[in-house]
Amino acid sequence: GESVGLHLPTLSVQEGDNSIINCAYSNSASDYFIWYKQESGKGPQFIIDIRSNMDKRQGQRVTVLLNKTVKHLSLQIAATQPGDSAVYFCAERGSSGYALNFGKGTSLLVTP
Amino acid sequence: GAGVSQSPSNKVTEKGKDVELRCDPISGHTALYWYRQSLGQGLEFLIYFQGNSAPDKSGLPSDRFSAERTGGSVSTLTIQRTQQEDSAVYLCASSPERGREQYFGPGTRLTVT
Repeated sequence: GESVGLHLPTLSVQEGDNSIINCAYSNSASDYFIWYKQESGKGPQFIIDIRSNMDKRQGQRVTVLLNKTVKHLSLQIAATQPGDSAVYFCAERGSSGYALNFGKGTSLLVTP
Repeated sequence: GAGVSQSPSNKVTEKGKDVELRCDPISGHTALYWYRQSLGQGLEFLIYFQGNSAPDKSGLPSDRFSAERTGGSVSTLTIQRTQQEDSAVYLCASSPERGREQYFGPGTRLTVT
């Protein structure tokens, strides 16, 4: 069945460094992936998405890489800032075409 | 513009009582979703509304859970005879159309004592 998982539950980085958050998925038919950021007490905030016909997509300070061969997704954050501290979730659009399947999240802690 | 809003932000209820959670989606968004987030977990899909079509209720965990969407806008998630395992954050999201990025509200934290 479908599943989305994250390699590391927590990640600690120093301010100014680059961060990489990884995610594995199991459904090779998944065609759409999203990264969300969730701060304490708030709902998930959309960061960036990528469709399966792409390998890479860039946003402001963020890049998502998709490796369909090994079913792996990563989120790269450049020049990480304290405001980036949050839990990051990857999600795939399931076979329904609309419901998202979420991983359990990676907690990113940015230290000064 | 205004984002997705949910009320109440927190709800504490006794086991066995019924609760209603409300979601106001972004104006003009035709798709509305409910998810549940248990402590330290990812989000679990509950139900999906798209326009006037019949909702997809496949994610509802039991028949104690129901939801409706009136006038294609506001949605209410109802949990009857609440149990302690229903304690979680209930998140609502909307999107401009099916399959597009979903925008989440702040959630309702439900605690069943």
